[in-house]
Amino acid sequence: GAGVSQSPSNKVTEKGKDVELRCDPISGHTALYWYRQRLGQGLEFLIYFQGNSAPDKSGLPSDRFSAERTGESVSTLTIQRTQQEDSAVYLCASSPLVRPGRDTQYFGPGTRLTVL
Amino acid sequence: AQKITQTQPGMFVQEKEAVTLDCTYDTSDQSYGLFWYKQPSSGEMIFLIYQGSYDEQNATEGRYSLNFQKARKSANLVISASQLGDSAMYFCAMSSGGNTPLVFGKGTRLSVIA
Repeated sequence: GAGVSQSPSNKVTEKGKDVELRCDPISGHTALYWYRQRLGQGLEFLIYFQGNSAPDKSGLPSDRFSAERTGESVSTLTIQRTQQEDSAVYLCASSPLVRPGRDTQYFGPGTRLTVL
Repeated sequence: AQKITQTQPGMFVQEKEAVTLDCTYDTSDQSYGLFWYKQPSSGEMIFLIYQGSYDEQNATEGRYSLNFQKARKSANLVISASQLGDSAMYFCAMSSGGNTPLVFGKGTRLSVIA
């Protein structure tokens, strides 16, 4: 079946503009995660959606970052008034809620964001 | 708070040899999961192997095995019979008991030499 998809694959924007990144999880996966990966670094957690529960926003670095998810479908990550330090690859992952703590997270190909 | 430490920024291995990538972790949770992911230059994150904290046997998946030493809080990845296509970044990660976000290490860049 189809994996996690993300769009756009690349986004170049000017400092101060808003951007929207999209993630389509694997069908039937209840949990959805957003991570950020700066150049040469590991992944940093941003936000986590689990079913209809309130999202875990504890990883969002500032109030310029927000995300939405409708039910168990698409999620959008919005960055307002982008700054150069927002330049990174933004990765989305999804997992089923079948075996809590054991479910593998499956990642999309990422969106490479460059803020000029 | 959970923490993953990967002390080897880069490793080299000869083709067909085995290699061990180190990972130590810190957590106060009794129930947790340990994961290894491969990230080739294309950027995708590929799941390799999983070990649960209560699993008695070390996990194996084809050429990948996980050397889990709970008392030492280590979860090293062993790749047997290295192939040129194994050249990539390798990340160790952990989750706590529920479906929580993964905490990642900084990664190890593996280069396989012909």
